Amino acid sequence: QKEVEQNSGPLSVPEGAIASLNCTYSDRVSQSFFWYRQYSGKSPELIMSIYSNGDKEDGRFTAQLNKASQYVSLLIRDSQPSDSATYLCAASGYSTLTFGKGTMLLVSP
Amino acid sequence: EAQVTQNPRYLITVTGKKLTVTCSQNMNHEYMSWYRQDPGLGLRQIYYSMNVEATDKGDVPEGYKVSRKEKRNFPLILESPSPNQTSLYFCASSPRTGAYGYTFGSGTRLTVV
Repeated sequence: QKEVEQNSGPLSVPEGAIASLNCTYSDRVSQSFFWYRQYSGKSPELIMSIYSNGDKEDGRFTAQLNKASQYVSLLIRDSQPSDSATYLCAASGYSTLTFGKGTMLLVSP
Repeated sequence: EAQVTQNPRYLITVTGKKLTVTCSQNMNHEYMSWYRQDPGLGLRQIYYSMNVEATDKGDVPEGYKVSRKEKRNFPLILESPSPNQTSLYFCASSPRTGAYGYTFGSGTRLTVV
């Protein structure tokens, strides 16, 4: 059974701080990894994808991948209250994406 | 605008009354999928389709049917809905599976009484 594990949170950070979200996956053949943001009652929105070991930066977001440790993370710099949401990690397989249950992030003003 | 369109957004129905949730995408994506999302259980895949006339079961296919007669449409059919199918449903599409992320529809909140 392929699994993607995330801490459910909530992770609480003050405005302007760095939020660090983590994810581990069980399927060693996974090659592509994604972070989605989901506001309550809304659909998941793709915010980052990463395919190679190392860091990938896009604005305030940095995704990190370590395939040897089967570990993916998302850093959000200068966190804003509007970043408060649930963040879903997903790992690719041949025919599907496997999603973690998500980490709730709360950014306080 | 590139999008995945689901209808209806909200639906309340009674046990046993057949229903269809429609999903359409305008991005010429080969891959389409249905998920349900429940508190504490996350997103669980119901069915997926890698191309026209090619569908396969996901993790929780019981009680659901799908079809893929055209590339753009992937309806979800509940032939005899039961209360345990009360959930938030999402359709998603992707150019191909694997290296591409999904684009999700806006969701359908289904209540079966």
